[in-house]
Amino acid sequence: AQTVTQSQPEMSVQEAETVTLSCTYDTSESNYYLFWYKQPPSRQMILVIRQEAYKQQNATENRFSVNFQKAAKSFSLKISDSQLGDTAMYFCAFMKGTSGSRLTFGEGTQLTVNP
Amino acid sequence: DGGITQSPKYLFRKEGQNVTLSCEQNLNHDAMYWYRQDPGQGLRLIYYSQIVNDFQKGDIAEGYSVSREKKESFPLTVTSAQKNPTAFYLCASSNPGTGSYEQYFGPGTRLTVT
Repeated sequence: AQTVTQSQPEMSVQEAETVTLSCTYDTSESNYYLFWYKQPPSRQMILVIRQEAYKQQNATENRFSVNFQKAAKSFSLKISDSQLGDTAMYFCAFMKGTSGSRLTFGEGTQLTVNP
Repeated sequence: DGGITQSPKYLFRKEGQNVTLSCEQNLNHDAMYWYRQDPGQGLRLIYYSQIVNDFQKGDIAEGYSVSREKKESFPLTVTSAQKNPTAFYLCASSNPGTGSYEQYFGPGTRLTVT
């Protein structure tokens, strides 16, 4: 079974600064996907970024980027130029590379962006 | 607009009553999922369905039941056998047949059982 670990229950950052959220996972699969989801106070789950395990290049989406270290089974999220609207719970999630497969979530990191 | 709707947003029930949570999607997605979220925890999978008239148990299926009679609908029934039903419930869908594995979530239903 796959496990996802987020070791930082809470983090804070000043507006406009950069912050990195950590995620490690454990799997014996070779084909899989990794995701970061954001859950703001509205509780709507929003996809932030995805990474395919077979791709060596780290995914980026505007101010969000990942550092994917496959051998170390590490998948951290970097948020640049933090904005107040980035305040949310962030979840790392793993999915086997099988059609219609389920997501396994970490326990989340509560990020607070301070003005 | 395409999306996933869950109704109602807040639901209150007495202990011992069954309750059904609605999930509808107009994204034409094949796969649908139900997750449970408890305070300070990540999401845990209850049931999922990859195709109409078929579904599989997730990690915490006991005390829950589902049906998938239509592609766009995946209702979840919380039965009286569920020992601790108060939680936030999220429905999601995806279309893996197109090579897109992301799951898209509805706004959730907060269920309180007293």
